[in-house]
Amino acid sequence: KAGVTQTPRYLIKTRGQQVTLSCSPISGHRSVSWYQQTPGQGLQFLFEYFSETQRNKGNFPGRFSGRQFSNSRSEMNVSTLELGDSALYLCASSLAPAGGYNEQFFGPGTRLTVL
Amino acid sequence: SQQGEEDPQALSIQEGENATMNCSYKTSINNLQWYRQNSGRGLVHLILIRSNEREKHSGRLRVTLDTSKKSSSLLITASRAADTASYFCATNGGGGADGLTFGKGTHLIIQP
Repeated sequence: KAGVTQTPRYLIKTRGQQVTLSCSPISGHRSVSWYQQTPGQGLQFLFEYFSETQRNKGNFPGRFSGRQFSNSRSEMNVSTLELGDSALYLCASSLAPAGGYNEQFFGPGTRLTVL
Repeated sequence: SQQGEEDPQALSIQEGENATMNCSYKTSINNLQWYRQNSGRGLVHLILIRSNEREKHSGRLRVTLDTSKKSSSLLITASRAADTASYFCATNGGGGADGLTFGKGTHLIIQP
């Protein structure tokens, strides 16, 4: 079974631009969660989608948004990029909604650099 | 926000030795999970321990959980060079309220 895939793997943008990252979960998984990882703040939860609905959202500004499609693939969008948005963005999928005893499987991440 | 704090932040040991990492957290949890990350890549799930469990084993890994002290430990026995990585604990408060809350991690270096 193929793992979680994320595209693109690397991205360079300039301040003020917007970016869309994509995540394809493991086949059959309906929950997709997004995390931001930076050296200063570590791993922080962005949001979780299950069956096309956002279930939870972390403490991030409204510039960060996401969606999930009927095939469970998910995208996250960051508008008006700031230097501090430079980070590794990780997506994780699980069979059932996160929060139970479900193992989350992580993708390799998208490394976003904002110049 | 960070819930967990791993200790130590970095650990360097010789191959074959055991490595122990600790994690403390602040709020009540549903379960606690340990992940490994190699060089800024994706996270690999190692083990999940439920709040009503005290100890769990998986291969060379042993995890303990003390909910009264709000702490967990990860023991890797007979370490190998391939175990060099960052290790994170992550807590799940149940209900999926805020996703997984990760600690800042322990960077483990296994010297050959």
